[in-house]
Amino acid sequence: ETGVTQTPRHLVMGMTNKKSLKCEQHLGHNAMYWYKQSAKKPLELMFVYNFKEQTENNSVPSRFSPECPNSSHLFLHLHTLQPEDSALYLCASSPRGQGANIQYFGAGTRLSVL
Amino acid sequence: AQTVTQSQPEMSVQEAETVTLSCTYDTSENNYYLFWYKQPPSRQMILVIRQEAYKQQNATENRFSVNFQKAAKSFSLKISDSQLGDTAMYFCAFMKHGSGATNKLIFGTGTLLAVQP
Repeated sequence: ETGVTQTPRHLVMGMTNKKSLKCEQHLGHNAMYWYKQSAKKPLELMFVYNFKEQTENNSVPSRFSPECPNSSHLFLHLHTLQPEDSALYLCASSPRGQGANIQYFGAGTRLSVL
Repeated sequence: AQTVTQSQPEMSVQEAETVTLSCTYDTSENNYYLFWYKQPPSRQMILVIRQEAYKQQNATENRFSVNFQKAAKSFSLKISDSQLGDTAMYFCAFMKHGSGATNKLIFGTGTLLAVQP
């Protein structure tokens, strides 16, 4: 257990649905990340937040909308997704200072878009 | 742009034996970090070991050690005395030093390691 919790673990949605993924960390970290993990491909960084401010958007389509209300919570709002968006979505967090380069991951949300 | 290559999609090892996973990377940076992460069937990505490029000494963590060859841009992971719990997908990753607000990790495609009883 790394201290990063993601819900739900599994999600099935239609292309017209709206859903949200949630990530929560109780490690006192100030940076949070969303990654997409597809089969046979490297993990792709989607978004980075530092102290609730978005510092990276890796050319992610607008049908993915992140929200970071505080340093402990991160959401990924989903709407009008495509079947190719089916993947494992991983959240991570990292601390300030010397350990800032170490990211702690959640167990992910397995998303299936029908 | 940095890239990370893991050329072994799958590997198998007998329990108690030693196995080495390969990783190469490409960068023009001189100062950076390299990581090995493990993702078991539970899906939670766990840090195995970290190497700072400016340190010549290879990092070790119990049964896990690395062979860091900076000039060759090679970063292999050796697992000694393999245990059944080591069965997982192993990812090699790169981060530029001083990434600042981004702390961007670049991952390889992973190596699926199966430890056989």
